[in-house]
Amino acid sequence: QKEVEQNSGPLSVPEGAIASLNCTYSDRGSQSFFWYRQYSGKSPELIMSIYSNGDKEDGRFTAQLNKASQYVSLLIRDSQPSDSATYLCAAYNYGQNFVFGPGTRLSVLP
Amino acid sequence: SQTIHQWPATLVQPVGSPLSLECTVEGTSNPNLYWYRQAAGRGLQLLFYSVGIGQISSEVPQNLSASRPQDRQFILSSKKLLLSDSGFYLCAWAGTVAYEQYFGPGTRLTVT
Repeated sequence: QKEVEQNSGPLSVPEGAIASLNCTYSDRGSQSFFWYRQYSGKSPELIMSIYSNGDKEDGRFTAQLNKASQYVSLLIRDSQPSDSATYLCAAYNYGQNFVFGPGTRLSVLP
Repeated sequence: SQTIHQWPATLVQPVGSPLSLECTVEGTSNPNLYWYRQAAGRGLQLLFYSVGIGQISSEVPQNLSASRPQDRQFILSSKKLLLSDSGFYLCAWAGTVAYEQYFGPGTRLTVT
């Protein structure tokens, strides 16, 4: 069974610090990877997608992909209390369906 | 730009009652459409997906069904709700190029 694994947390970081969220996936055929942010009681919101090995930066967010290690990460620089949410990692293999991880709950402490 | 709508936003239904949740997408054509359920404090469970009108694939056997009567309309139904059907129901659409999924606002269903 194809799986995406994440540490459920909570991950607590002080305001202004770097938050590091990690994800591993089992399907070596996965080609695309996504990070979603979900605030309590709300629907998931896409914040980053990454398709190639290496880093991809968008504002305070950096996604990192290592296909050889089947590992995806999301770094949030200068963390703010408004970043407190659950972060979902998803992997996609062309022609199949998304596989979502269970999410990591992030708490940014003021 | 694309927009996805779901209604109702919240719903409280007794056990054994029927269910109909609707999802519509604007600003795109021929999207892939998905229904997910998220139980309290849990991850996303894919229920159904559709790649075109009338084409429905089920991921989990249950008392729910889905239909896609129009290109940008996706409906989730049940004839008789169970207590275990309670949860947060999310509709999502994806294009056929980047395959990114975008979620609607969701329907919170409580079966009593």
